[in-house]
Amino acid sequence: EADIYQTPRYLVIGTGKKITLECSQTMGHDKMYWYQQDPGMELHLIHYSYGVNSTEKGDLSSESTVSRIRTEHFPLTLESARPSHTSQYLCASSDPNIQEQFFGPGTRLTVL
Amino acid sequence: GESVGLHLPTLSVQEGDNSIINCAYSNSASDYFIWYKQESGKGPQFIIDIRSNMDKRQGQRVTVLLNKTVKHLSLQIAATQPGDSAVYFCAETRNAGNMLTFGGGTRLMVKP
Repeated sequence: EADIYQTPRYLVIGTGKKITLECSQTMGHDKMYWYQQDPGMELHLIHYSYGVNSTEKGDLSSESTVSRIRTEHFPLTLESARPSHTSQYLCASSDPNIQEQFFGPGTRLTVL
Repeated sequence: GESVGLHLPTLSVQEGDNSIINCAYSNSASDYFIWYKQESGKGPQFIIDIRSNMDKRQGQRVTVLLNKTVKHLSLQIAATQPGDSAVYFCAETRNAGNMLTFGGGTRLMVKP
């Protein structure tokens, strides 16, 4: 079982609110990722990090931002949530020597 | 361009039958492929992987076949069980390293 955690699991919030989705892993992985996924649909990479102080934008444009101050922690922030941000957000991590990514359980975000 | 896609959005099989989930890719430079299983409310979980120097790899009840000539990947599940009901994604590496491109997913439904 992969040791990667996401909180909250579910979040319902009003338009305009600032939110932070938490992601932590205890595997010591350098690489971490954030994906956005609509139900039953493909995963879209929105952010990734090669290690501490490294953040990159993914394929899908996103209004969210990320930070990587510690190896184990990769939070995602939305400064002003909108209904279009309603989706599932999945965090993942990987070891540089292994191509498999380990996923967290996801945060299902609903913006009213 | 690079793409990974699945032929069928939904596959319904009888319990005990074998299941075959297909995936097409267009980047002949892809060198690594993974199958993930995603159950409802959970993040994707690794099932099996295969490198481009192989054409077949077997796991417990699962087999992945790679046909590089037609850029086709398949996942075979033997004696499908109700617990196999999930959405299955194929993914490929792009560039070097761990960046994965995911396909759109196939929902497998197992009828008792």
